[in-house]
Amino acid sequence: AQSVTQPDIHITVSEGASLELRCNYSYGATPYLFWYVQSPGQGLQLLLKYFSGDTLVQGIKGFEAEFKRSQSSFNLRKPSVHWSDAAEYFCAVAGAAGNKLTFGGGTRVLVKP
Amino acid sequence: EPEVTQTPSHQVTQMGQEVILRCVPISNHLYFYWYRQILGQKVEFLVSFYNNEISEKSEIFDDQFSVERPDGSNFTLKIRSTKLEDSAMYFCASSDTSEAEQFFGPGTRLTVL
Repeated sequence: AQSVTQPDIHITVSEGASLELRCNYSYGATPYLFWYVQSPGQGLQLLLKYFSGDTLVQGIKGFEAEFKRSQSSFNLRKPSVHWSDAAEYFCAVAGAAGNKLTFGGGTRVLVKP
Repeated sequence: EPEVTQTPSHQVTQMGQEVILRCVPISNHLYFYWYRQILGQKVEFLVSFYNNEISEKSEIFDDQFSVERPDGSNFTLKIRSTKLEDSAMYFCASSDTSEAEQFFGPGTRLTVL
């Protein structure tokens, strides 16, 4: 069965500093991987996705993620965070059948001025 | 930009009552999904729907749950007899192919008293 682990429940970062959110997955085949962001009271917005090809993928809002098969990881990064990046971030993996998404527990990001 | 909409944004009901949560997926999408997020927990897959039938469902999606696409635009989730543990945020999502990204609605917060 597929699963996703986000080891960090909370991360606090200063505005302008870099951010890295960790995601580890368990899946038997080549996964489809996603990062979603959820602002308070909002739905889930897709930041970026990986299906195949270049293992470094660029997304919206200046985010990028790198797929590392050997480490079963898909970490999300941003070089310089803005106060508006304060939100909860979810990593997800797609199943082979029906394309359901299995989500990690989420990482809440707080941005200090 | 096309978006998934959900109504109501908040539903309060008594235990044992039936509720219907409504979603309007993006118009040219063919695959539809329901997920839920109990407060403080991860987002969980409930059911996927394609070609007027359920393509996959989770263990959570028992006989108390049903989905329907009553017309060309709406996609509904019905809970026949609500329980306290059904209190959660329910998200609808849609995609245009089985391997494409899923677009999420803003959610319906269901509170069962």
